[in-house]
Amino acid sequence: ILNVEQSPQSLHVQEGDSTNFTCSFPSSNFYALHWYRWETAKSPEALFVMTLNGDEKKKGRISATLNTKEGYSYLYIKGSQPEDSATYLCASRSGANNLFFGTGTRLTVIP
Amino acid sequence: NAGVTQTPKFQVLKTGQSMTLQCAQDMNHEYMSWYRQDPGMGLRLIHYSVGAGITDQGEVPNGYNVSRSTTEDFPLRLLSAAPSQTSVYFCASSPGTINTYEQYFGPGTRLTVT
Repeated sequence: ILNVEQSPQSLHVQEGDSTNFTCSFPSSNFYALHWYRWETAKSPEALFVMTLNGDEKKKGRISATLNTKEGYSYLYIKGSQPEDSATYLCASRSGANNLFFGTGTRLTVIP
Repeated sequence: NAGVTQTPKFQVLKTGQSMTLQCAQDMNHEYMSWYRQDPGMGLRLIHYSVGAGITDQGEVPNGYNVSRSTTEDFPLRLLSAAPSQTSVYFCASSPGTINTYEQYFGPGTRLTVT
């Protein structure tokens, strides 16, 4: 079992603010780090899959970085919009062909 | 493409009953998996399959069986339902190794065991 931790658990930001969250994972035997966006009453949708130390990925206003040596990844949202309100999940693979998910960061963007 | 489909959407079972949660995908994905989502916990892997005829246990396999006779279908069987299996179940598929490919999730099945 892999201990994947996300912080904060929840946050509220004003529309237009930029924000970021953290995902921590064991750095030993690292294979991959996934980020998903999960809107209420829907199913998780993939944002990024990252494998290399120093990886940076971007999709619109959302970007992510990866540090496999110290075991963390940051997800950034620039200029938050109400439609960004969702729970953001990260998951790490280490060893066996399993993904271990964190409990997520619930983002609320206030108009 | 319908993507990943799951049936039923909702189900109520009595303790001891058995049932099968259905999952199908039409994307020709090799990798399929079942997760459960419980309050305050991350998605936890129950079973997964890397291709037809191949299945393996995840983090929480007890009380569940799976089979993968075709690429498209990956049913999850509860042999004797227990209240501890009350949860939301998600099926997911991926084109290949989860090192490189994201997972596509189905809409979920909400199961209540009384």
